Amino acid sequence: GIQVEQSPPDLILQEGANSTLRCNFSDSVNNLQWFHQNPWGQLINLFYIPSGTKQNGRLSATTVATERYSLLYISSSQTTDSGVYFCAVVPSGGSNYKLTFGKGTLLTVNP
Amino acid sequence: GAVVSQHPSWVICKSGTSVKIECRSLDFQATTMFWYRQFPKQSLMLMATSNEGSKATYEQGVEKDKFLINHASLTLSTLTVTSAHPEDSSFYICSARRDFNQPQHFGDGTRLSIL
Repeated sequence: GIQVEQSPPDLILQEGANSTLRCNFSDSVNNLQWFHQNPWGQLINLFYIPSGTKQNGRLSATTVATERYSLLYISSSQTTDSGVYFCAVVPSGGSNYKLTFGKGTLLTVNP
Repeated sequence: GAVVSQHPSWVICKSGTSVKIECRSLDFQATTMFWYRQFPKQSLMLMATSNEGSKATYEQGVEKDKFLINHASLTLSTLTVTSAHPEDSSFYICSARRDFNQPQHFGDGTRLSIL
C-alpha cells in the first residue's frame, strides 16, 4: 500500500516562530488532508488539498502532486498550535477511497 | 458545516460489558463512515469502513464479532465493542464523508477504559 512519511517527527518552537512540516507519499493520490490533533484528542480539519496552495489565517499548505509531497506552513506560532499534525492521503486507483495516515509531527510551542 | 458528533466522549466500564459508540453527521448525509482506533502516541488505525445499508468492510486483523458496526442511516453509524476486555481500552474515532471525492470529517473521539 501507499507509504506516507512525515517530517520532522518532533518539533519544539518558541512562540512567534515559523515552521514547515513535510509529508511525502509514495504513490499518486486523489485526496490529501492535513489535520491537527489537539491535546484532548480532537482531530481538526486544516486543509483538504490534493493539489495546489491554500491559506487559512496563519496556516497555509502546498501540495505538489507530481512530486508526491505536501508542506504545511505555520507562521507566528502560538501555544495553542501545540499538538500532533497528521497528513493523510487517499491513493489514486483505489476502489474504497480510504485515508492512509502518516505517523504525525508532534509540535510543542513554548511561551 | 460538516459537523460530526460522536457520543459518548468517555466510557469506563467493567470487563465483559458491551459498549456502544454513536457517530452522527449533523449537517450532511454521509454515504460512508469510518471507524479508527488510536493507541497513545501513535497514528490512527482504520478499523472498518461502513456504507449505509450494507455490511461494514473490516481491515485485516480486526475482529468482526468483537467490533460490530451498523450504518442504519445516512447520518448514523454505531460501533459496539462486545464483551469488552482491558486490551480493548483505547481511543476510538469516527469520521464521515459526503461522497468518495470529498474530505473526511472527524468526530471528537471516545476514550474507552475497561477495568
